[in-house]
Amino acid sequence: RKEVEQDPGPFNVPEGATVAFNCTYSNSASQSFFWYRQDCRKEPKLLMSVYSSGNEDGRFTAQLNRASQYISLLIRDSKLSDSATYLCVPNTGNQFYFGTGTSLTVIP
Amino acid sequence: DAGVTQSPTHLIKTRGQQVTLRCSPKSGHDTVSWYQQALGQGPQFIFQYYEEEERQRGNFPDRFSGHQFPNYSSELNVNALLLGDSALYLCASGRSSYEQYFGPGTRLTVT
Repeated sequence: RKEVEQDPGPFNVPEGATVAFNCTYSNSASQSFFWYRQDCRKEPKLLMSVYSSGNEDGRFTAQLNRASQYISLLIRDSKLSDSATYLCVPNTGNQFYFGTGTSLTVIP
Repeated sequence: DAGVTQSPTHLIKTRGQQVTLRCSPKSGHDTVSWYQQALGQGPQFIFQYYEEEERQRGNFPDRFSGHQFPNYSSELNVNALLLGDSALYLCASGRSSYEQYFGPGTRLTVT
């Protein structure tokens, strides 16, 4: 079983839409969780750290369900600049596990 | 304050050769991790260095080795290059094992 599983998409949504990405992780010992975004041929950039059961940062909300080993990211009022690949990253000990990411394209 | 820097930006090598990639962490960061990202895949963890020691290693062969210097900068060495080693190599730095910040990467092409 893969450490991290994400729906690869692509998700094509109109500007202003709300979109949600889901992620499951296999290692129950994972201690911290992150969402990164990655633009084409660029490095991943930290979007959010996920604390406790979840947190919110502007238009972005992350939720964590440890019992189900499930993390989600909700983006409200999508902007064209949100187009990117979103990577779910659980951290177990000193090792970060990256999924293949979910591709989002926001359409004008 | 400079972020994570990596050199070189691009590199072309021939099968069987050896390569060294370099990384300088963000100021104040003491851990450096290296990742390999093939096209269409997420980054795959190679190893992490802390206090000049390899602290954790992913599922990569011994051809991949590294080093961390007293100033926290790091090198990734790959011996006996294979075509399949062609990828974007990313360095990430952080404090202990919390949030990691990535450098722009080195794109390695093996021909």
